[in-house]
Amino acid sequence: DAGVTQSPTHLIKTRGQQVTLRCSPKSGHDTVSWYQQALGQGPQFIFQYYEEEERQRGNFPDRFSGHQFPNYSSELNVNALLLGDSALYLCASSLGWSGPQETQYFGPGTRLLVL
Amino acid sequence: AQKITQTQPGMFVQEKEAVTLDCTYDTSDPSYGLFWYKQPSSGEMIFLIYQGSYDQQNATEGRYSLNFQKARKSANLVISASQLGDSAMYFCAMRASPYGGATNKLIFGTGTLLAVQP
Repeated sequence: DAGVTQSPTHLIKTRGQQVTLRCSPKSGHDTVSWYQQALGQGPQFIFQYYEEEERQRGNFPDRFSGHQFPNYSSELNVNALLLGDSALYLCASSLGWSGPQETQYFGPGTRLLVL
Repeated sequence: AQKITQTQPGMFVQEKEAVTLDCTYDTSDPSYGLFWYKQPSSGEMIFLIYQGSYDQQNATEGRYSLNFQKARKSANLVISASQLGDSAMYFCAMRASPYGGATNKLIFGTGTLLAVQP
């Protein structure tokens, strides 16, 4: 049973560039969430996708956008990168949003460094 | 406002002993979910245990148990018989959307770094 996968594992970009991170959910899961984890902090919710639509968004600027594909995989795009965007980006998948099925399973993350 | 508080930045425990990691939460929703995750230095968040707000019994998963005290709004994680591989950062999290709501966004605490000593 394949877990959540993310690519790439590491990425180095310069300020002003754009980046795309990719995520494949756990088999059978239809909901994908993205989180940003700065060094020494807990993850912060960016947004969540279900049925190819953004269902909820956290307190992140419009430079952060996403997409979900018919196979439930997802992309996170960040435009006009800032130094402060350097973080671990975590993707999580779940099946539904109630009871134990709401449990989110996380991928290994993508470490983004903006220089 | 919904919030998770973990007051222990770091803890030490001897191998084979039990340890309790503290977590308090704040929410006005009658239905919520509480989670504990383990994050080793590799970065991946590993799900440990789930407790629903309407669950009558404390959740258990192997060596992990969740001491759920609803009136005190606490959800402490108990790890029995600690192992060296338990050394990691531990995060308490809460589903921050109402039951039956459109999403299951999680909010996290600041984490507790656990070090297991031989």
